[in-house]
Amino acid sequence: GESVGLHLPTLSVQEGDNSIINCAYSNSASDYFIWYKQESGKGPQFIIDIRSNMDKRQGQRVTVLLNKTVKHLSLQIAATQPGDSAVYFCAEKGSGTYKYIFGTGTRLKVLA
Amino acid sequence: SAVISQKPSRDICQRGTSLTIQCQVDSQVTMMFWYRQQPGQSLTLIATANQGSEATYESGFVIDKFPISRPNLTFSTLTVSNMSPEDSSIYLCSVDRQGRAYNEQFFGPGTRLTVL
Repeated sequence: GESVGLHLPTLSVQEGDNSIINCAYSNSASDYFIWYKQESGKGPQFIIDIRSNMDKRQGQRVTVLLNKTVKHLSLQIAATQPGDSAVYFCAEKGSGTYKYIFGTGTRLKVLA
Repeated sequence: SAVISQKPSRDICQRGTSLTIQCQVDSQVTMMFWYRQQPGQSLTLIATANQGSEATYESGFVIDKFPISRPNLTFSTLTVSNMSPEDSSIYLCSVDRQGRAYNEQFFGPGTRLTVL
């Protein structure tokens, strides 16, 4: 495998349990957020997004929560599966800019 | 979604040499982005490449070290010049596209560079 995630914080979760991955973002002016999943040997892939006028958004098995007061973003994965094992990054973008700022990332390890 | 390919997928290079990484997108895009992902780290934007203009570099990255070409709307190259072991990273290109998301960035598979 590749070295992505070797030194990142790791969350170990039992298969079937729910996972919660947290991210503290940096800019209070950011108005758009994305969660990415990066599997070993691949580029990041989009999971779910949320705009700053929302505090919750649900997808298939995933939910993103946004707390603008404390600049906190979380990703909840329901019924975690072995295929969910990867590194997860949050990314933020400010209004009027095309640049994304990526968080430090969390490695999710699903235990059988 | 966008399909993005990168070449090479990986390489091992000697110190002092240069490597050019290619990024091909399956459709025309205005902006292409180059990121670096050092081992165990997050993604850091190197530069933004628009067709027909000079690339815009982020703080800490300079054109002499990372020259970029953008000859058309589907292709870009990033060169890592005069390499040192500190340049060992994954280099990713991405494009901005309105996909499932409001404004999603699609990433290529990355080029894994090891400098000896």
